[in-house]
Amino acid sequence: NAGVMQNPRHLVRRRGQEARLRCSPVKGHSHVYWYRQLPEEGLKFMVYLQKENIIDESGMPKERFSAEFPKEGPSILRIQQVVRGDSAAYFCASSPLQGGSSDSPLHFGNGTRLTVT
Amino acid sequence: GQNIDQPTEMTATEGAIVQINCTYQTSGFNGLFWYQQHAGEAPTFLSYNVLDGLEEKGRFSSFLSRSKGYSYLLLKELQMKDSASYLCAVNGFQKLVFGTGTRLLVSP
Repeated sequence: NAGVMQNPRHLVRRRGQEARLRCSPVKGHSHVYWYRQLPEEGLKFMVYLQKENIIDESGMPKERFSAEFPKEGPSILRIQQVVRGDSAAYFCASSPLQGGSSDSPLHFGNGTRLTVT
Repeated sequence: GQNIDQPTEMTATEGAIVQINCTYQTSGFNGLFWYQQHAGEAPTFLSYNVLDGLEEKGRFSSFLSRSKGYSYLLLKELQMKDSASYLCAVNGFQKLVFGTGTRLLVSP
């Protein structure tokens, strides 16, 4: 079984460009979470989605950031007009249950490392 | 609000036992997770507690006291490969909230 697949693994963008990060959850998982991690820091929650719905976007900046999880295809995190402060690792996680449990913990992808020059 | 505290860094010797503490104050509680993360890699699931007490899984054990808002991860017979960050996370209302993580360095 394939785990959570994220691509690209590394992404370099110049200031003002758009960054598009993709996440394919584990097959059968309908809950997707996006987290952001700065070097030497913990994971900061950004957004929680179920198929076609945004459930909680309280950790995502209102401007320039958007996320979707369409009925078909991967979840996408989009950052418009990137700035240097957006440079970070962005992790996607999936679960068959909201928030996870012992039998169904959140499974993480390997992340996308975004560098804004 | 959500507040999860862990020590920033710990060091230990190969073969020893180390305890990593985590205290939390969250608006909801539906279980506490511990994850391991090696530098540049994805976090991987270690343990889950939802009831008070100790959960043991090989060299790793995790303890929870809900009344105290406290958990610890115990690592026994430390190996060099255990050098990593250990992340405490609370399943609050709808989402998993992480602490800043504890960097563990195991020396020979």
